[in-house]
Amino acid sequence: AQKVTQAQTEISVVEKEDVTLDCVYETRDTTYYLFWYKQPPSGELVFLIRRNSFDEQNEISGRYSWNFQKSTSSFNFTITASQVVDSAVYFCALSEAVLGNQFYFGTGTSLTVIP
Amino acid sequence: NAGVTQTPKFQVLKTGQSMTLQCAQDMNHNSMYWYRQDPGMGLRLIYYSASEGTTDKGEVPNGYNVSRLNKREFSLRLESAAPSQTSVYFCASSEGGQKYQPQHFGDGTRLSIL
Repeated sequence: AQKVTQAQTEISVVEKEDVTLDCVYETRDTTYYLFWYKQPPSGELVFLIRRNSFDEQNEISGRYSWNFQKSTSSFNFTITASQVVDSAVYFCALSEAVLGNQFYFGTGTSLTVIP
Repeated sequence: NAGVTQTPKFQVLKTGQSMTLQCAQDMNHNSMYWYRQDPGMGLRLIYYSASEGTTDKGEVPNGYNVSRLNKREFSLRLESAAPSQTSVYFCASSEGGQKYQPQHFGDGTRLSIL
């Protein structure tokens, strides 16, 4: 079973639109960590944010915000006023404190921002 | 500021050839990982090394071997390359032992098997 599901394979938006990337996870661990990574067209993977399972506060960093909801096992990522430079593949990942030794990555969402 | 360095960046092999992908990190991290990235499948873990001297299989280990040469270096070997191993390979490292630490990735090796 997929531990991290990113149901949106590809999304296209027009510049300045807001866009939300969905991430749903599955774990039996009570303590876990969620991550978002960005992979721009150049190919490298860039760490964006980490969230602990015991901290459900939403996070905002500039135009980026993250909504963590344990009740729905979701950790969604919103880009406000999107820009062309936001075009990339975005990955959500899960790390379990006790039950696993691995990062589990979703299949990624490819975001294209059209000028 | 090198972080995680992978060599080579590109490689073309013929079926049956062998090859070693090199990875080195300069962040004094304990844990290192090898992933492959294929279209529509995200990143899949091949092998990982939680600490120097240990290695464990990940999700897709068949056809690969690894060596944790020292704390800095973690190599991935294809003994007899197959077209199904055409992929982009990423090495990553993390402080390890602390599951909340993010992984830091190299720039990837694009490998084609003909």
